[in-house]
Amino acid sequence: SQQGEEDPQALSIQEGENATMNCSYKTSINNLQWYRQNSGRGLVHLILIRSNEREKHSGRLRVTLDTSKKSSSLLITASRAADTASYFCATVGNDYKLSFGAGTTVTVRA
Amino acid sequence: ETGVTQSPTHLIKTRGQQVTLRCSSQSGHNTVSWYQQALGQGPQFIFQYYREEENGRGNFPPRFSGLQFPNYSSELNVNALELDDSALYLCASSFDQTPLFFGPGTRLTVL
Repeated sequence: SQQGEEDPQALSIQEGENATMNCSYKTSINNLQWYRQNSGRGLVHLILIRSNEREKHSGRLRVTLDTSKKSSSLLITASRAADTASYFCATVGNDYKLSFGAGTTVTVRA
Repeated sequence: ETGVTQSPTHLIKTRGQQVTLRCSSQSGHNTVSWYQQALGQGPQFIFQYYREEENGRGNFPPRFSGLQFPNYSSELNVNALELDDSALYLCASSFDQTPLFFGPGTRLTVL
């Protein structure tokens, strides 16, 4: 079973636009992480946000975490064609095991 | 690109056979995890090894087994293959468990 659920399942945007995807989870967490996957290859770690943090930035990425609502969002600003990929949230409990959602597929049109 | 490598890249087996997948961890990492990713799904946790000891297992039957070696490389063994075992198998290494650095994966097809 998967802890996190991403929304939407798929997203298509024009180059230069912002992309926002959301993740909801069910149980308490130690931290939440976002990963990117290109064309069914290995996942790339993007950003980690701890349970006591509310917002984090990394380059064009902005992640928020609301533990009261058990939800997180990932914002990609000024999207590029190279951002076309699947994005996964993964929650980490006290056992340090990652539990992934089913992902959001983002397509950036030139 | 991470320093995690996996072999082979692709593999085709028939139902009932056994398979061994290999993973070389990134230098300095002491933890390796294995994930199964079915088409269109997120990765599912199989198990994790920390300093050569299994320290966590997901909801997978005992025919999925693993090893971590002193150099922190790892193997995933699957016995009695079933059609549903067809998936991308991902190995990930880390130093003290998180975050994870993933390898490119092994695509297993069971016919």
